[in-house]
Amino acid sequence: AQSVTQPDIHITVSEGASLELRCNYSYGATPYLFWYVQSPGQGLQLLLKYFSGDTLVQGIKGFEAEFKRSQSSFNLRKPSVHWSDAAEYFCAVGSRSNDYKLSFGAGTTVTVRA
Amino acid sequence: EADIYQTPRYLVIGTGKKITLECSQTMGHDKMYWYQQDPGMELHLIHYSYGVNSTEKGDLSSESTVSRIRTEHFPLTLESARPSHTSQYLCASRGDWNTEAFFGQGTRLTVV
Repeated sequence: AQSVTQPDIHITVSEGASLELRCNYSYGATPYLFWYVQSPGQGLQLLLKYFSGDTLVQGIKGFEAEFKRSQSSFNLRKPSVHWSDAAEYFCAVGSRSNDYKLSFGAGTTVTVRA
Repeated sequence: EADIYQTPRYLVIGTGKKITLECSQTMGHDKMYWYQQDPGMELHLIHYSYGVNSTEKGDLSSESTVSRIRTEHFPLTLESARPSHTSQYLCASRGDWNTEAFFGQGTRLTVV
């Protein structure tokens, strides 16, 4: 069965500093990986996705993520955080063997301090 | 911008009432999903559909039911609401298998 772990429940970062959010997945074959962001009271917005090819993927709002098969990880990064990046971030995995249904991690809440 | 809509956004209702949460999408997606989300917790899949007249239960057991009579519409119904149903419900749709899911803004349900 596929599963996703986001080890960090809450991260506080200063505006302008770099940000890295961790995501580990459990799945035997190549998964399809996603990062979503959720602002308070809103639905989820896709930041980026990985299906195949280049393991470093670029997304919206200056985010990028790197797929590392050997570490079963898909960490999200941003070089310089803006106050508007304060939100909850979810990593998700889908796979052909599970009918492409998405399994989500518990999320990481990011707080940005001035 | 995703064309998937959920109504109502917020609902406070008494125990025992029947409620229907609406979800509509205008993207022509075959695949639609309902997730339940509690604060600080992951999203749990409770129902999904791969097309008209197709519905399946998800990974998390739920007392709710769904229907898919039209491609664009995927309502979720609770016959008798209870306080344990208090949660946020998110609807999503998806096109081909190699594309992402698009989410509505959610319905925050409170049963008192």
